[in-house]
Amino acid sequence: GAGVSQSPSNKVTEKGKDVELRCDPISGHTALYWYRQSLGQGLEFLIYFQGNSAPDKSGLPSDRFSAERTGGSVSTLTIQRTQQEDSAVYLCASSSGQSSYEQYFGPGTRLTVT
Amino acid sequence: GIQVEQSPPDLILQEGANSTLRCNFSDSVNNLQWFHQNPWGQLINLFYIPSGTKQNGRLSATTVATERYSLLYISSSQTTDSGVYFCAVDRDSGTYKYIFGTGTRLKVLA
Repeated sequence: GAGVSQSPSNKVTEKGKDVELRCDPISGHTALYWYRQSLGQGLEFLIYFQGNSAPDKSGLPSDRFSAERTGGSVSTLTIQRTQQEDSAVYLCASSSGQSSYEQYFGPGTRLTVT
Repeated sequence: GIQVEQSPPDLILQEGANSTLRCNFSDSVNNLQWFHQNPWGQLINLFYIPSGTKQNGRLSATTVATERYSLLYISSSQTTDSGVYFCAVDRDSGTYKYIFGTGTRLKVLA
């Protein structure tokens, strides 16, 4: 595609429910990243994929958070048993991972846990 | 871990004014990018600049990696320049994850 896309753009869920957030990277980009931005804050790294493998999961805040990537393309970030502190904008980025490591960001998913 | 500090934290300009935003980082880095986050939350790439100087229209950036800082220059500011400017760096660690600075919030007045 022309850019990184994410869905849904907004998600409101009740505390304790599971949510799935989707990221479609730029076609051909092998590297994919998830970040989180809480209200008025900077961005916090969550997880990095190279192809389908995740060599760096160091930013995942708890074992309620998991992510996968299939076919070297689409990635899904899953949050189980959501808590109010999970409310944030979740941003996905991709880079070619080869000739350049410049990251391109999607529009984000705004998650609100009530 | 690496620390990334941006200054000033807030900046108010009159339209047409020039400004310089600074990003200091505490360790060697492999990659550095400047982003503009517009009022709708979209992060827009401004510069990928691990070293050297680049210019794009009214914006330019310089990174002096040996001295661990980068500067973003905005000339003849416009109201559409308003938003938050982030500097992001990744350490020479091979994972390419970015550590973001705290941002500079810019407001340009008409």
